[in-house]
Amino acid sequence: QITLKESGPTLVKPTQTLTLTCNFSGISLTTSGVGVGWIRQAPGKALEWLALIYWDDDKLYSPSLRRRLTITRDISKNQVVLTMTNMDPLDTATYYCAHRQINMAFDPWGQGTLVTVSS
Amino acid sequence: SYEVTQPPSVSVSPGQTASISCSGDKLGGKYTYWYQQRPGQPPELVIYQDNKRPSGIPERFSGSNSGNTATLTISGTQAMDEADYYCQAWDSSPIFGGGTKLTVL
Repeated sequence: QITLKESGPTLVKPTQTLTLTCNFSGISLTTSGVGVGWIRQAPGKALEWLALIYWDDDKLYSPSLRRRLTITRDISKNQVVLTMTNMDPLDTATYYCAHRQINMAFDPWGQGTLVTVSS
Repeated sequence: SYEVTQPPSVSVSPGQTASISCSGDKLGGKYTYWYQQRPGQPPELVIYQDNKRPSGIPERFSGSNSGNTATLTISGTQAMDEADYYCQAWDSSPIFGGGTKLTVL
């Protein structure tokens, strides 16, 4: 059974850097085709994909946010970490991590963590 | 950049068939994925690679993809199917649609 859980601060100030951790189990991040991605959802808005890290440590970033994002993994800890710099109130959202399957679907997803950006 | 477009809302009567579209340039040449999101819950995969159902997803959920449009079809819609539905495709990276709110009246 695959599970993922996001953790990090619930409140950050504008211009600060956000660091979120995805702790997972049941995923072998060394299996070809597998990855872990981050997707966010502003209140009442649509899903927005942010970043993805693959089994071979290859990384993909949203073109509109790539300058602010860094995704890393720690296989020994079963963790994937996302950092986002220069946070803005418009970055207020629920941040999800999700398992990227070999069939390229995101499944399952973590429960998400709400991050509010406010001074 | 590549985009996929969904209608903001779809309404259906209980027991009837709901169809939710997802449009994009030559979308039929890409795999499409569908996620259901109930209020306060994370998204759940209901269709992958155009028309495959994950284990545990009811048979009333089906998908198709051809030309510029992918379609999620829910046959015999039930009240519990009321949710937001998102399509997702892959271009050089994952692309999500804007979501469709399905109302079961």
